[in-house]
Amino acid sequence: QSALTQPASVSGSPGQSITISCTGTTSDVGGYNYVSWYRHHPGKAPQLMIYDVSKRPSGVSNRFSGSKSGNTASLTISGLQAEDEADYYCNSYTSSSTWVFGGGTKLTVL
Amino acid sequence: QLQLQESGPGLVKPSETLSLTCTVSGGSISSSSYYWGWIRQPPGKGLEWIGSIYYSGNTYYNPSLKSRVTISVDTSKNQDSLKLSSVTAADTAVYYCARHLWLTLHAFDIWGQGTMVTVSS
Repeated sequence: QSALTQPASVSGSPGQSITISCTGTTSDVGGYNYVSWYRHHPGKAPQLMIYDVSKRPSGVSNRFSGSKSGNTASLTISGLQAEDEADYYCNSYTSSSTWVFGGGTKLTVL
Repeated sequence: QLQLQESGPGLVKPSETLSLTCTVSGGSISSSSYYWGWIRQPPGKGLEWIGSIYYSGNTYYNPSLKSRVTISVDTSKNQDSLKLSSVTAADTAVYYCARHLWLTLHAFDIWGQGTMVTVSS
C-alpha cells in the first residue's frame, strides 16, 4: 500500500492559520470517513489531534480542525503557537482492512 | 490512566528476528473495545503501520510486512508482542505500540514512548 501524500513542509507565523493536506485514493481517504491526524514532537509519543475526519478528542484545542473533500483530507491549525511546531501525520483506513499513514509534514512556526 | 511501554533488545543482527513487547498498565488488554497496534518510524522517515491485534488474537498486518510479521497477545500478562523476522538495516526504526480504537474512533489514541531498534552486525 502506498503512503498518503502530504506536503513535506509548511510554515506560518504565530497567530496565523495553516492547512496541511493529505491526499489518497477512493480506496482509502475518499472511501471512508476514518481519517485521523497526529502531532509528533521528535523524541516523544505521537498525539492524536483529530479522528473521523473532523472530530477532536477531549483535551485537544479547538484551534485544530479537520475536513475532507473527495480523496483529500485537510488539517487546519488556527492561531498558530510555538508549541504547534512539530511533524504532523494523517492516517486512513483502507479497503484492504489495513491502515496507512501519510509521509508526514514538518510545521515550522516562524 | 492507561499507559503503554515497549521493551526489547535495542540491537538486532541482520537476518535475525526482532522481538518487542508492549506492556499495558492502568487498564486491561482484554477489553472488547480495543485493538492494539504497532507502528514504526525509521530515522528521518515517516510513520508506518505494522499491524494490529484484538485480544481474541484476530490480527491485521501491513501487506508489505505481512510475510515477516507476527503479533500476538498474552492476556495473562496484559501484554502484546511483535516479532519481525529476517531483519535488515531497513528495519532500523523507533517502534511504537499504541491502543487502536479500530471500531470506534478509528484512530490510535494512546501511544507508548517508543523504543529504538538498530539492525547491525
